[in-house]
Amino acid sequence: KAGVTQTPRYLIKTRGQQVTLSCSPISGHRSVSWYQQTPGQGLQFLFEYFSETQRNKGNFPGRFSGRQFSNSRSEMNVSTLELGDSALYLCASSLEAGGVQGTQYFGPGTRLTVL
Amino acid sequence: DAKTTQPPSMDCAEGRAANLPCNHSTISGNEYVYWYRQIHSQGPQYIIHGLKNNETNEMASLIITEDRKSSTLILPHATLRDTAVYYCIVRVAGNTDKLIFGTGTRLQVFP
Repeated sequence: KAGVTQTPRYLIKTRGQQVTLSCSPISGHRSVSWYQQTPGQGLQFLFEYFSETQRNKGNFPGRFSGRQFSNSRSEMNVSTLELGDSALYLCASSLEAGGVQGTQYFGPGTRLTVL
Repeated sequence: DAKTTQPPSMDCAEGRAANLPCNHSTISGNEYVYWYRQIHSQGPQYIIHGLKNNETNEMASLIITEDRKSSTLILPHATLRDTAVYYCIVRVAGNTDKLIFGTGTRLQVFP
């Protein structure tokens, strides 16, 4: 099985722009979560989707949004980019949200740089 | 906030066992202990999880104390490829996959 894929892998944007990141989960997985990783704050949960519904949301401003499609693929969007949004954005998938096995598979991430 | 405490860094000689401790003194009865690791610039990788019994898989062993307030991840024969940041996470198995990562332990395996 192919792993979690994220596109693009690297992205450079300027302040004020918006960006859309894409995540394709492992085939058959229905739950997708997004995380932001920065040197200062570490790994922080952004949001989680299951069957096209947002199940959980982290403590991020409304500029951060996401969605999930019927094929379980997910996108996240960041509007009005700020310098502090520079980070590695990671996507993870699992068979079902909150399953006891809890095995989430992470993608390689998208490295976003905001200039 | 993360509910776990881990030492910031540890060293281990290649071929020796690496024992990574984790304190989770406020763990609830329905919370599992999960371990993930992150090799530089890659996405985190699931290692193992447990509730109250010791667990072993092809990657590692997890020893949870009887009072469940702490645990130890054991890599029986560490290799250079095990150099990574290791995260201990407690999570309720329910209707969410949300993981709260702490700062983890940076394990350096040396030749």
